Amino acid sequence: GENVEQHPSTLSVQEGDSAVIKCTYSDSASNYFPWYKQELGKRPQLIIDIRSNVGEKKDQRIAVTLNKTAKHFSLHITETQPEDSAVYFCAASKTDKLIFGTGTRLQVFP
Amino acid sequence: ETGVTQSPTHLIKTRGQQVTLRCSSQSGHNTVSWYQQALGQGPQFIFQYYREEENGRGNFPPRFSGLQFPNYSSELNVNALELDDSALYLCASSLVGKSYEQYFGPGTRLTVT
Repeated sequence: GENVEQHPSTLSVQEGDSAVIKCTYSDSASNYFPWYKQELGKRPQLIIDIRSNVGEKKDQRIAVTLNKTAKHFSLHITETQPEDSAVYFCAASKTDKLIFGTGTRLQVFP
Repeated sequence: ETGVTQSPTHLIKTRGQQVTLRCSSQSGHNTVSWYQQALGQGPQFIFQYYREEENGRGNFPPRFSGLQFPNYSSELNVNALELDDSALYLCASSLVGKSYEQYFGPGTRLTVT
């Protein structure tokens, strides 16, 4: 079945630096790739998504890139702020069933 | 806020018991999916309901069952609870044809002792 690997599991950056989280998926039929941010004790929140007909998408300080050939997609956060600290999950889907990665705990130090 | 609500917030049950969790979808959303999130892990897909019928299922045993009602609210039922069922249970609503965007509720934290 579909499998999504996510790296790194933890990431610590200084405020203002950039952060990059990478995911790899196994099912080449996957065509939808969302990213969720989950703060401690709260629900996962959709922060950005990309579809397989697009290579890159930006929303202010957040961007996602997709390499369909390599089956890789990445989340880029620029000018990180302490409020970016959370667990980030990537997911892949070819239907409404989301397959999640294992999560990346991002810590942004002031 | 996404508008997806879940109840109860927390629940403690004993092994072997049965539990029912509830979800109210975001207004206008006709599809609901349920996920299990164990501590420190990503959500795992349990099943999805569309038009009151199961529309896909993950690797969960039959003791996990669900219902969707005409008003698009939903229930997750788990029979014969096991210790490993302790987790955060999330429902997510979406609109069929709206590019798979799913919005999660706050979850129900289930503890099985």
